[in-house]
Amino acid sequence: GAVVSQHPSWVICKSGTSVKIECRSLDFQATTMFWYRQFPKQSLMLMATSNEGSKATYEQGVEKDKFLINHASLTLSTLTVTSAHPEDSSFYICSARGFRGRSNQPQHFGDGTRLSIL
Amino acid sequence: QQQVKQSPQSLIVQKGGISIINCAYENTAFDYFPWYQQFPGKGPALLIAIRPDVSEKKEGRFTISFNKSAKQFSLHIMDSQPGDSATYFCAASIPLGQNFVFGPGTRLSVLP
Repeated sequence: GAVVSQHPSWVICKSGTSVKIECRSLDFQATTMFWYRQFPKQSLMLMATSNEGSKATYEQGVEKDKFLINHASLTLSTLTVTSAHPEDSSFYICSARGFRGRSNQPQHFGDGTRLSIL
Repeated sequence: QQQVKQSPQSLIVQKGGISIINCAYENTAFDYFPWYQQFPGKGPALLIAIRPDVSEKKEGRFTISFNKSAKQFSLHIMDSQPGDSATYFCAASIPLGQNFVFGPGTRLSVLP
């Protein structure tokens, strides 16, 4: 099955630090990648959608200058949390999706990154 | 109209029992309905998916039932096992739509 690798799985850092999270599709070309944030015992909250080679589309209320997304290739997207503060602590999950003709294809998720800002 | 409603919020089932999770939607343009399983500290994993041209899809112990007229679909887990204890999310997508709309999730606990 399709595999999405997300790295790192856990980050603990000081307030003010910028943190980069990588998301790679290992065995398929991901035309679209998604970044989610998930709070404990809650559903997935979509932060942004990125298509390879173009600017990410951010959901309402998500600061694009705070959460920088780059989708430089069909297999790699990165999320950088700039000048992170304790309120940015959360579980961040990426997913990747390809398209086959006109049919929808499922999203495949990475294993998430637990970000803890001290 | 973009919402997907999911119930129950939590579910406790005895080992060997049937777990049933229901979802409902409003947008008739949705044409792809996946279910995801998420264990604590992990990302969601695709479990099974259905398109509206069929009313049922079965994969092992997992079955999706789809009622197009009622705009409802459900996940049935037969012979539930403690290892099935996880959070389950239903989702829906429009044709060529980029994103999925996710339900709020159901926490399933299967007692040994």
